[in-house]
Amino acid sequence: KAGVTQTPRYLIKTRGQQVTLSCSPISGHRSVSWYQQTPGQGLQFLFEYFSETQRNKGNFPGRFSGRQFSNSRSEMNVSTLELGDSALYLCASSSRTAGNTIYFGEGSWLTVV
Amino acid sequence: AQRVTQPEKLLSVFKGAPVELKCNYSYSGSPELFWYVQYSRQRLQLLLRHISRESIKGFTADLNKGETSFHLKKPFAQEEDSAMYYCALSSQGAQKLVFGQGTRLTINP
Repeated sequence: KAGVTQTPRYLIKTRGQQVTLSCSPISGHRSVSWYQQTPGQGLQFLFEYFSETQRNKGNFPGRFSGRQFSNSRSEMNVSTLELGDSALYLCASSSRTAGNTIYFGEGSWLTVV
Repeated sequence: AQRVTQPEKLLSVFKGAPVELKCNYSYSGSPELFWYVQYSRQRLQLLLRHISRESIKGFTADLNKGETSFHLKKPFAQEEDSAMYYCALSSQGAQKLVFGQGTRLTINP
């Protein structure tokens, strides 16, 4: 079974631009969540989607948004990028039938210049 | 408020020595507790969770509700245990993890 896959793996954006990151969960997993990892703040929960609905949201500004498609694939978007948005963005998926274990992707490295 | 504290950012021990990575949490209710590990150039992966009460790669962790702790232990460290370790909690059945800041464990030969 393929793991959680994220694209792109690396990207560089300019302040003020927007970015879209994609995530394909493990086949059969309907819950997808996103995390931001930075050296200063560590791993922080962004949001979680289940059956195309946002089920949980972390404490991030509205510039951070996400969505989930009917095939459980998910995207997250960050608008009006700031230097502080430079981070590793991790996607994770889980399934109740698989014991709710949360599996992580390798992440998308975003650098804002 | 939900919070996970890992007091040691860095921990260095010799091969064969016992290892204990500390984790304390703050949560009103009955959380689920986890240890995740990230080896060099690999993705974050689940090491163990308190409800399964397993021993994985020789590691164990016991949930102490009185002390609100979930320390990770291994009696004899191996060089391949060198990695970043994260303690995390979630509400029962929820898919939102709250992570500690992590402890970088280095096993010296």
